[in-house]
Amino acid sequence: DAGVIQSPRHEVTEMGQEVTLRCKPISGHDYLFWYRQTMMRGLELLIYFNNNVPIDDSGMPEDRFSAKMPNASFSTLKIQPSEPRDSAVYFCASSLFTDTQYFGPGTRLTVL
Amino acid sequence: AQSVTQLDSHVSVSEGTPVLLRCNYSSSYSPSLFWYVQHPNKGLQLLLKYTSAATLVKGINGFEAEFKKSETSFHLTKPSAHMSDAAEYFCVVTSVTGNQFYFGTGTSLTVIP
Repeated sequence: DAGVIQSPRHEVTEMGQEVTLRCKPISGHDYLFWYRQTMMRGLELLIYFNNNVPIDDSGMPEDRFSAKMPNASFSTLKIQPSEPRDSAVYFCASSLFTDTQYFGPGTRLTVL
Repeated sequence: AQSVTQLDSHVSVSEGTPVLLRCNYSSSYSPSLFWYVQHPNKGLQLLLKYTSAATLVKGINGFEAEFKKSETSFHLTKPSAHMSDAAEYFCVVTSVTGNQFYFGTGTSLTVIP
């Protein structure tokens, strides 16, 4: 298996622009997680899905952030409008049932 | 509530000497515990996990960890450090349902040649 795939790997955008991050989980996994990593706050869980349904989005920082999972093999995290403080590395992870989470390589987002 | 504390933010060891990265957890139930490693500009890779079987858990690359319930600890060890072990290490405790991870703040391991 190719593991969790994220795209793009790097994104540089200007403040106010819309940003869309993409994730393809490991085939057959039923949980998908979005995390954000910054020096100041470490790793934070933003939202997670079970069988494509959002279960807990209490970590989403504000209404500018939204996430969708239209099918079992694809999820997006959207930021609109983006702000410089959104600059971070965003990780997607997937798991089968409630077992080990497997992480993607991350998307490094820079908002100028 | 569950939480995890990594007692050292930075650890430096010489190549070939033992590694000890400390982790204490707090939980009102018997959690699953994990150690992940993150090399620079990379994603997180699973090193090992404890899920209430044997208290001494062996992982990849010669790492192991011992679950000590009486001390609420899950320290990570390796007998002999290698240059390639230089990375950030995260201790993780799960929620009671097992579907959420709570990460420690990480320990940065430096290996001195």
